[in-house]
Amino acid sequence: GGIITQTPKFLIGQEGQKLTLKCQQNFNHDTMYWYRQDSGKGLRLIYYSITENDLQKGDLSEGYDASREKKSSFSLTVTSAQKNEMAVFLCASSIGTVNTEVFFGKGTRLTVV
Amino acid sequence: AQKVTQTQTSISVVEKTTVTMDCVYETRDSSYFLFWYKQTASGEIVFLIRQDSYKKENATVGHYSLNFQKPKSSIGLIITATQIEDSAVYFCAMREGRGYNQGKLIFGQGTKLSIKP
Repeated sequence: GGIITQTPKFLIGQEGQKLTLKCQQNFNHDTMYWYRQDSGKGLRLIYYSITENDLQKGDLSEGYDASREKKSSFSLTVTSAQKNEMAVFLCASSIGTVNTEVFFGKGTRLTVV
Repeated sequence: AQKVTQTQTSISVVEKTTVTMDCVYETRDSSYFLFWYKQTASGEIVFLIRQDSYKKENATVGHYSLNFQKPKSSIGLIITATQIEDSAVYFCAMREGRGYNQGKLIFGQGTKLSIKP
């Protein structure tokens, strides 16, 4: 089995601040994702990466940057935190790009003050 | 464009009954994969079941099964003999099989299921 570790678990930032969320997986999966979940809402795709050195924009990429530093790690940067961005950010990974399930981390809860 | 829609915001049923949750999707790809995930109260998200677009048979795993109606672009999740611990939020998701969006996994808005004793 493997695990997806997201750090930090809680992140408090100032409005306008640049903030970075990190994700590490030891599944040896090729594909990694970042999703945002607002309270009581669904998961919206921010960025994904189907292999090391690949980066694809999701439907919610504006205001975010991402980096796939190596196969096991995928970082997300909030370029300028806004008060309406308080949400849980979820990292996920899968071994392939089509019919394989994704596994999720426990999330980073972002609060902007 | 790729889209997944769950119109049922919440459902409440009595324990041991059968419940169906709806999901419709949009895609231009002839090959795609449909998934259902469950998010528990603790926030943990787990995979439940998958349907491949080229398969006519409905997928079944334990007390979860799917009602795949390809002409209607619909993939319903059926839970039989519901238990209290099935109370959770259920998400439908889709991945296209090839082309520019290969690997892109998008989710519906979720349906909150409450099981009453």
